[in-house]
Amino acid sequence: ETGVTQTPRHLVMGMTNKKSLKCEQHLGHNAMYWYKQSAKKPLELMFVYNFKEQTENNSVPSRFSPECPNSSHLFLHLHTLQPEDSALYLCASSQDPLAGHYEQYFGPGTRLTVT
Amino acid sequence: DAKTTQPTSMDCAEGRAANLPCNHSTISGNEYVYWYRQIHSQGPQYIIHGLKNNETNEMASLIITEDRKSSTLILPHATLRDTAVYYCIVRGRGTSYGKLTFGQGTILTVHP
Repeated sequence: ETGVTQTPRHLVMGMTNKKSLKCEQHLGHNAMYWYKQSAKKPLELMFVYNFKEQTENNSVPSRFSPECPNSSHLFLHLHTLQPEDSALYLCASSQDPLAGHYEQYFGPGTRLTVT
Repeated sequence: DAKTTQPTSMDCAEGRAANLPCNHSTISGNEYVYWYRQIHSQGPQYIIHGLKNNETNEMASLIITEDRKSSTLILPHATLRDTAVYYCIVRGRGTSYGKLTFGQGTILTVHP
């Protein structure tokens, strides 16, 4: 499945580092999403972008900063993270959800470890 | 969105049909039932969705009861690669931007 790609697949960073996660979708979709999946917890929605505009921020701490330069690319900039931020970060895309399209297509995720 | 209830885990023999139930007794008339699955350490995968009619695609069938208070996802010939966590999600249309609420799901184990 190469519709949604994420890089890097694995990332280890210290609490004072700054890093970025990248997501790219090749499906012609208009909406993109960031999810967090911690160990033994359900997926948690973090951010939603529709037509490059942020439409949802699910009370995410400011140390996570999303960026969506166009409908095909989504970034998650990370700085001064905490060890509890270690998780699998998943990107997804869909057609316009306001038109009722909730079939989301996920990337493989970035496994983040904060030391 | 309506809450869903799924069994924590299920087993299925390879080659047999896997029937995964989901209760959504508080579902309202405009809410759809979506199924996703997540194979270990991968991103979730969309499987199928429906409103009130039964649906079938190349992956699975979705049977929704007439009162829409429950549904069953059917994998007709389960393989070892179908071992995954299966999520049943109920979503209304026209509500908040594509927000899917994933619960704990059902861990399906397909054994030889």
